[in-house]
Amino acid sequence: SQTIHQWPATLVQPVGSPLSLECTVEGTSNPNLYWYRQAAGRGLQLLFYSVGIGQISSEVPQNLSASRPQDRQFILSSKKLLLSDSGFYLCAWRGQGAGTEAFFGQGTRLTVV
Amino acid sequence: KNQVEQSPQSLIILEGKNCTLQCNYTVSPFSNLRWYKQDTGRGPVSLTIMTFSENTKSNGRYTATLDADTKQSSLHITASQLSDSASYICVVSAMGAGNMLTFGGGTRLMVKP
Repeated sequence: SQTIHQWPATLVQPVGSPLSLECTVEGTSNPNLYWYRQAAGRGLQLLFYSVGIGQISSEVPQNLSASRPQDRQFILSSKKLLLSDSGFYLCAWRGQGAGTEAFFGQGTRLTVV
Repeated sequence: KNQVEQSPQSLIILEGKNCTLQCNYTVSPFSNLRWYKQDTGRGPVSLTIMTFSENTKSNGRYTATLDADTKQSSLHITASQLSDSASYICVVSAMGAGNMLTFGGGTRLMVKP
């Protein structure tokens, strides 16, 4: 069966510090991978998606970046966090077919102080 | 621009009552529509998925409907329980590279005893 792991679950970081959130998927190959951010009481905003190793598409220009060093690993990074980066970050994966379901990780609550 | 609008934004009902959540979308070309349940601080979990040709899909006390002509969907919850308190998110998938998902802002449902 497929599983998705996302960590850490919570993170408190000072402004200007770097960020690295990791997401890994097991039990499937060549998944589409996504990073979303959800502000309090708001919907999910797509940040990055990847259809293959090394292929990253950015949906929203900001100080975050993403990388996919391996087929089932997706990393969200920042060199210098801003207060506005606080939020709930979700990693998700889907199969390559148009009708496949998206599966979400448990999320990371990031608070930038 | 692909958009998904949900209503109401929030809803309070008494335990045991029924309720219906609405979703309107302008995603094109349409692939499928999903309803997700998201508990506070957790990742969304899929309830139903419907393709263009499906009008209704049930999952226990949850019944989703889809009118592809008017681009509307609804999620009906029967005999609500306290555990139904959560955000319900309508997600529409478009055909094409990455099979992009467009998320609605969600409806926050609170079931009171």
